[in-house]
Amino acid sequence: DSGVTQTPKHLITATGQRVTLRCSPRSGDLSVYWYQQSLDQGLQFLIQYYNGEERAKGNILERFSAQQFPDLHSELNLSSLELGDSALYFCASSVHAGAGNTIYFGEGSWLTVV
Amino acid sequence: AQTVTQSQPEMSVQEAETVTLSCTYDTSESDYYLFWYKQPPSRQMILVIRQEAYKQQNATENRFSVNFQKAAKSFSLKISDSQLGDAAMYFCAPLEVNSGGSNYKLTFGKGTLLTVNP
Repeated sequence: DSGVTQTPKHLITATGQRVTLRCSPRSGDLSVYWYQQSLDQGLQFLIQYYNGEERAKGNILERFSAQQFPDLHSELNLSSLELGDSALYFCASSVHAGAGNTIYFGEGSWLTVV
Repeated sequence: AQTVTQSQPEMSVQEAETVTLSCTYDTSESDYYLFWYKQPPSRQMILVIRQEAYKQQNATENRFSVNFQKAAKSFSLKISDSQLGDAAMYFCAPLEVNSGGSNYKLTFGKGTLLTVNP
């Protein structure tokens, strides 16, 4: 158990819908990351937050957004869903945005868009 | 932009034998770190080992060790005394640190699927 908690574990929704994925980082971790793992794109970095502020952005679509709340949990919002958004979405956390801190991953949220 | 190449899509090893998974990367940053993660069928991402690029000594974690060649930008993983539980997808992942030391990004290779034969 990495200490990073993600909910829901599985989600099935229809095209055009909107979903929210939730992440609680490890106790004491200030930095949260979101990754998408799909069959064709592999593991893609989406976005990073540190103590409530966006720190780095990767290949995140405009239909997607994220935020980190004062209690440090984070949410990834996916809207106008398309079939291609079906993937495993990982949240990860580390102590802070400084160099070298190990990044620990949650178990992921499986999203299936039908 | 950083690229990570894992040239072996699949590898197999006999139980109790040793196997080496290769990884090469390209980065323009002078400060970075390197990780190997494993992803078993459960799909959870599990940290295997980490290496600081400024350290010359290769990291070791029980049966797992790395061969880090900084000039060649090579970071291979050696698994000794392979066990059935080692069967998984293995990802090499460099962690870049920008000049300010704050923003960084973990970039993953496409992975090597390791099969352990009894």
